[in-house]
Amino acid sequence: GAVVSQHPSRVICKSGTSVKIECRSLDFQATTMFWYRQFPKQSLMLMATSNEGSKATYEQGVEKDKFLINHASLTLSTLTVTSAHPEDSSFYICSATGQGNQPQHFGDGTRLSIL
Amino acid sequence: GENVGLHLPTLSVQEGDNSIINCAYSNSASDYFIWYKQESGKGPQFIIDIRSNMDKRQGQRVTVLLNKTVKHLSLQIAATQPGDSAVYFCAEIGMDSSYKLIFGSGTRLLVRP
Repeated sequence: GAVVSQHPSRVICKSGTSVKIECRSLDFQATTMFWYRQFPKQSLMLMATSNEGSKATYEQGVEKDKFLINHASLTLSTLTVTSAHPEDSSFYICSATGQGNQPQHFGDGTRLSIL
Repeated sequence: GENVGLHLPTLSVQEGDNSIINCAYSNSASDYFIWYKQESGKGPQFIIDIRSNMDKRQGQRVTVLLNKTVKHLSLQIAATQPGDSAVYFCAEIGMDSSYKLIFGSGTRLLVRP
């Protein structure tokens, strides 16, 4: 089945650091990638939708200058959390889908902890 | 927002019993629904999907039922196993052609040995 790889799986860093998370589709071309954030015991909250070669579409309340998204190829999207602070600590998950209304396939998430 | 999940309801079942996880979805115009399984520290894993022109779909040990009249979705797991312990989310596809998933709040399934 379709595989989505997310890296790193865990990051611990100091406040003020910028952190980049990569999301790769390994065996299919991902025309659209999605970035989610998940707090403990809660559901996934969509942050932004990323289409290859175009600017990401952010959900209401998500700061685009804080969470930079790049989708430069059909197999890679990156999320950069700029100047991260403790309140940015969360579980970040990406997903990818191919053409049309196909199921999204999810990465295994990145646990971000800001000290 | 669309995702409200302040706590996770829990379903506890005996190993070998059948499990039924329920979900109420929000948009009567949604036409595609998916059940995901999320194990601790991992991303959601696709289990089964169903389109609105169907009311039942079966997979291996799992069955999804869709009741559009009351906007209700259920996931039935037959002969529940310890490996089925996880959080289960239903999701619907938004109707704005962006293929965005709208997730339900989730249910934690605990399987007692």
